[in-house]
Amino acid sequence: KQEVTQIPAALSVPEGENLVLNCSFTDSAIYNLQWFRQDPGKGLTSLLLIQSSQREQTSGRLNASLDKSSGRSTLYIAASQPGDSATYLCAVPITGGGNKLTFGTGTQLKVEL
Amino acid sequence: KAGVTQTPRYLIKTRGQQVTLSCSPISGHRSVSWYQQTPGQGLQFLFEYFSETQRNKGNFPGRFSGRQFSNSRSEMNVSTLELGDSALYLCASSLGAGENTEAFFGQGTRLTVV
Repeated sequence: KQEVTQIPAALSVPEGENLVLNCSFTDSAIYNLQWFRQDPGKGLTSLLLIQSSQREQTSGRLNASLDKSSGRSTLYIAASQPGDSATYLCAVPITGGGNKLTFGTGTQLKVEL
Repeated sequence: KAGVTQTPRYLIKTRGQQVTLSCSPISGHRSVSWYQQTPGQGLQFLFEYFSETQRNKGNFPGRFSGRQFSNSRSEMNVSTLELGDSALYLCASSLGAGENTEAFFGQGTRLTVV
């Protein structure tokens, strides 16, 4: 059974700092890994989808890396801003499970002025 | 292009009642998945529909059911509501049937059972 964990559970940083969020998964037989952002009480916004054949994927100030063999992904946020404050979730599809996703527990990020 | 639309955004129901939530996927997407999000359990998978067929089902009681229409719109129904059903219900839309397609989520329906 695929298990996904995210460390840290919460993170508070000053504005402008570069930061790394971590995601670990137990079953390396994944097709892709997706990073989402969730604002309080809202839905999920897809940030990046990184295919299993890719090592990195970039979008603006965000960079996601994937190391299947070690069961890890990182989301790097450069020059953090208060607007980046949100909960960040990683998710992987379940092998043979169609579009069913297993989500991590999330990292709650607060960027302070 | 329009995103995933969930209606209603908020609902307050009484224990024992039933409720129907609606999800309109992105145009052209044929897969719709439903998730329940609570502070204690996180995001839990309810079920997935593709081309009007239920493909996967999570570990929820039979009070939770769903369906998908020919235009890919989906509804989920919860009967005999319990206090523990209070949650944010999220719908995800995907283009294809396989595991390698990106999921796009709606804004969710906040259900409160009193």
